[in-house]
Amino acid sequence: DAKTTQPTSMDCAEGRAANLPCNHSTISGNEYVYWYRQIHSQGPQYIIHGLKNNETNEMASLIITEDRKSSTLILPHATLRDTAVYYCIVRAVYGNKLVFGAGTILRVKS
Amino acid sequence: GAVVSQHPSWVICKSGTSVKIECRSLDFQATTMFWYRQFPKQSLMLMATSNEGSKATYEQGVEKDKFLINHASLTLSTLTVTSAHPEDSSFYICSARDAGTMSSGEQFFGPGTRLTVL
Repeated sequence: DAKTTQPTSMDCAEGRAANLPCNHSTISGNEYVYWYRQIHSQGPQYIIHGLKNNETNEMASLIITEDRKSSTLILPHATLRDTAVYYCIVRAVYGNKLVFGAGTILRVKS
Repeated sequence: GAVVSQHPSWVICKSGTSVKIECRSLDFQATTMFWYRQFPKQSLMLMATSNEGSKATYEQGVEKDKFLINHASLTLSTLTVTSAHPEDSSFYICSARDAGTMSSGEQFFGPGTRLTVL
């Protein structure tokens, strides 16, 4: 599975949009982009995933560039409860493992 | 969404004893479950992949005789840490893959089990 690169940490003001970038320049054609987050001392929580089209659900939006080498997770109106570590993971559609990198620490501040 | 539970949520044990952690998928069937370990301020590290009715597949460097995994049903997998030592103290997290969403590969995670070995 392709590796991903994310910034170590980001700050965001409460109520503003949080845009979390992820680079996955070696992504293959059959690999999806997954986003999970982990709030302190809890298990990871699934957020969203996509292949090449932009995706939106009740939690977030996922914007994938046309060449699929990078993506951005958007939390439209960040709240204090969105403070967490956000993981961008690339995995083949028939693959099994989710391999976690270091992720991005998002701090939402009032 | 799908719910995965773990029991216990935390456990303290003496060095040399064995500890069993349960992982259950509550509202879906999981043919595959995964066990992760997370040390403080570190990311999750995959320990093993557990398939119902067959032997678990361990990641490189994980001792299969120390971390016994059983996946006897479509809703339950157990991890037993045998002869635990202080260095086994960690946050153990399981995840389960919904058999009904195999193509998209969503995995749902349990809340984790905090193990402290004295």
